[in-house]
Amino acid sequence: NAGVMQNPRHLVRRRGQEARLRCSPMKGHSHVYWYRQLPEEGLKFMVYLQKENIIDESGMPKERFSAEFPKEGPSILRIQQVVRGDSAAYFCASSPRQAGGPYEQYFGPGTRLTVT
Amino acid sequence: QKEVEQNSGPLSVPEGAIASLNCTYSDRVSQSFFWYRQYSGKSPELIMSIYSNGDKEDGRFTAQLNKASQYVSLLIRDSQPSDSATYLCARGSSASKIIFGSGTRLSIRP
Repeated sequence: NAGVMQNPRHLVRRRGQEARLRCSPMKGHSHVYWYRQLPEEGLKFMVYLQKENIIDESGMPKERFSAEFPKEGPSILRIQQVVRGDSAAYFCASSPRQAGGPYEQYFGPGTRLTVT
Repeated sequence: QKEVEQNSGPLSVPEGAIASLNCTYSDRVSQSFFWYRQYSGKSPELIMSIYSNGDKEDGRFTAQLNKASQYVSLLIRDSQPSDSATYLCARGSSASKIIFGSGTRLSIRP
């Protein structure tokens, strides 16, 4: 039973380029969450998605950042026109679909984004 | 006031002793609480979840929840060097979101 998968594991982009981060949830999980972690800091919630729906994007910067979770395929976190301050570890987590909640979230290995 | 507050540490504990990690939270309606362990350069790993007042034990780990005091703790018995990591306390919020604390760095000295 594969866990949460993220790719790429490491991504280097020059300022102004676009970064695309992918996340495939655990089998049977339909809820996906994206977090950002700066060095020596805690996890900051960015966005919560279900298939074809953004449920909560209160942690997403207003500009340059977007996320989707299409009916088929992985969830994508997209950062346009990256700046050095976007350098961080980006983690995806998934949880199963259940009434009520919130329930345990299981994390992928993360994507380390470096902007040069 | 932070939503989930933890002492950043580092907390240094001798090998074989009990490590006690503490966490307070500000939202009285939270019903679910989680402890995650994160090794340097790795992703968070779920250790324990607790939903009811009292203690919950799993191997060397015991989570304790006191909703009246808005306090949750994690005890690690017989601490091992491999327990050295950052421990993240988290609480569930509405709409299935989890709010994380900044973490406590734990160091187990041989």
